[in-house]
Amino acid sequence: GENVEQHPSTLSVQEGDSAVIKCTYSDSASNYFPWYKQELGKGPQLIIDIRSNVGEKKDQRIAVTLNKTAKHFSLHITETQPEDSAVYFCAASKDDDKIIFGKGTRLHILP
Amino acid sequence: SAVISQKPSRDICQRGTSLTIQCQVDSQVTMMFWYRQQPGQSLTLIATANQGSEATYESGFVIDKFPISRPNLTFSTLTVSNMSPEDSSIYLCSVRNEKLFFGSGTQLSVL
Repeated sequence: GENVEQHPSTLSVQEGDSAVIKCTYSDSASNYFPWYKQELGKGPQLIIDIRSNVGEKKDQRIAVTLNKTAKHFSLHITETQPEDSAVYFCAASKDDDKIIFGKGTRLHILP
Repeated sequence: SAVISQKPSRDICQRGTSLTIQCQVDSQVTMMFWYRQQPGQSLTLIATANQGSEATYESGFVIDKFPISRPNLTFSTLTVSNMSPEDSSIYLCSVRNEKLFFGSGTQLSVL
């Protein structure tokens, strides 16, 4: 089955700088890659996703890139703000199949 | 997106008892899932709740411990049976309607 690896487990960046979180997946048939943000005491919230027919997607300060050949995808957050502090999870799945999550990255935005 | 109501939001239970968690969705969805998130960990899929038939459990999870009901396309329950302290986790209901959305979770503590 699918296996998703996520790095780093913890990331600290200065406010205003960029943050990058990287994930790899094992199943070449996976075609859907969502990213979730989880704040303390809340359920994960979908922040951006990408399908395998595109290489990059951007939504304001957040972007995701996908390299199908290498089977890795990344989340980029630019101009980081204190409210970006949270745990971020990457995930992978095939259409209408279960979604498998990475282990998460705890992002700290330093003042 | 889907609005998912999950209750209770938290509970403290005694060892050996059972707790039933309810999940209500504001629209009909085909795919509903139950995840477990142990403290500081990622999301692990417990089972897929199938409407009108038995749930499909992932490796390591069994029906006797985590019975699931799915009487219709908007509602599901997960019961955590014969609880032990190792069952202390956040339990999350999720639905997939192209994208995967989560409820706010149930924080369970077992004494």
